[in-house]
Amino acid sequence: EAGVTQSPTHLIKTRGQQATLRCSPISGHTSVYWYQQALGLGLQFLLWYDEGEERNRGNFPPRFSGRQFPNYSSELNVNALELEDSALYLCASSLGRAVGANVLTFGAGSRLTVL
Amino acid sequence: GENVEQHPSTLSVQEGDSAVIKCTYSDSASNYFPWYKQELGKGPQLIIDIRSNVGEKKDQRIAVTLNKTAKHFSLHITETQPEDSAVYFCAASGWNTDKLIFGTGTRLQVFP
Repeated sequence: EAGVTQSPTHLIKTRGQQATLRCSPISGHTSVYWYQQALGLGLQFLLWYDEGEERNRGNFPPRFSGRQFPNYSSELNVNALELEDSALYLCASSLGRAVGANVLTFGAGSRLTVL
Repeated sequence: GENVEQHPSTLSVQEGDSAVIKCTYSDSASNYFPWYKQELGKGPQLIIDIRSNVGEKKDQRIAVTLNKTAKHFSLHITETQPEDSAVYFCAASGWNTDKLIFGTGTRLQVFP
């Protein structure tokens, strides 16, 4: 069974540009979560999508946004990139809120570097 | 707000010794407590979890204990091996809630 897959593995952008990160959940999982892991720091909750809708977002500015597609894959968009956006962005999936199961399986992450 | 504190931030042990990592959570409604292991260049991997109706859970060399009254939970690794070296994260959430709140991580180094 394929795990959570993320692309690209690495992305280099300059300040002010936009970045788009993509995530494919485990087959059968309907919830997708995005976390930011800055160097030396823990995992900060960004966004949660379930059944195509944004269910909750963490304490991040509106230039962090995303969406979930009908096939449950998701993308994270970061506009007007700032240097401090440099981090590992982790996607996780779960069976979804309808099941009541919040066991998350993580992908390997996309490392975003902003120069 | 929700918060999870994790200690220590780094832990060095000799191969064969035990390692203990402790976490404290703030939201008394939390009832799901997973532990994740993150190796270099990889995403976090679930290694063990516990729900609030259980006080202790064991899986081979790892065990987790939960004290709901004190809002503490701990990870115990016995007979440590070099391959246990990684960053370990605790987390907490409520049943069917929308997110896991993670601790800041513990870098465990096991020396041969």
